[in-house]
Amino acid sequence: AQRVTQPEKLLSVFKGAPVELKCNYSYSGSPELFWYVQYSRQRLQLLLRHISRESIKGFTADLNKGETSFHLKKPFAQEEDSAMYYCALSATKAAGNKLTFGGGTRVLVKP
Amino acid sequence: EPEVTQTPSHQVTQMGQEVILRCVPISNHLYFYWYRQILGQKVEFLVSFYNNEISEKSEIFDDQFSVERPDGSNFTLKIRSTKLEDSAMYFCASSAAAPGLAGGGTQYFGPGTRLLVL
Repeated sequence: AQRVTQPEKLLSVFKGAPVELKCNYSYSGSPELFWYVQYSRQRLQLLLRHISRESIKGFTADLNKGETSFHLKKPFAQEEDSAMYYCALSATKAAGNKLTFGGGTRVLVKP
Repeated sequence: EPEVTQTPSHQVTQMGQEVILRCVPISNHLYFYWYRQILGQKVEFLVSFYNNEISEKSEIFDDQFSVERPDGSNFTLKIRSTKLEDSAMYFCASSAAAPGLAGGGTQYFGPGTRLLVL
């Protein structure tokens, strides 16, 4: 069974401070991991996926298979980063497989 | 940039009534999905659809649910006899056929339909 856990429901940081959102997963195979972001009154949109290994809006995430984690980090948070962040897992890298979501972490960046 | 669209944005219905939620996936995508999010809970997978048939469904997707691609653009979710516990935000998503094509397996989400069953 696939499971994704985001232990923090809310993270509140000051502008310019580092932010790290934790994500742990449980899956016996080789998963693909994603971070989706939902800004206020907007749709879920892909922030990044582990296979692309890129940095989007200053965010990075590294897949740690030993710790089964895919934590999201940004060294200097901006007010526009305030949003809901969801970690998600797909069973394979192929298209057509369901996403299993974590419960989400709300990030609030204070001025 | 093409987007997934959903209608209506909000729907209020009486318990026991049928509702149809509509989605227009991104035009060159071939995989389609429905998810739902009950208020305060996780986004949950309902069903995936490819080549005019269901490819996977969750335990939630019981006999009261059905999906259809009635034409070349729409993808619908029908709830036959709504229950109070069907109140949720319903998200449609679509993805391209293969890695390397328009983001590969990345799923693109619509804005959601908020369903309230009274």
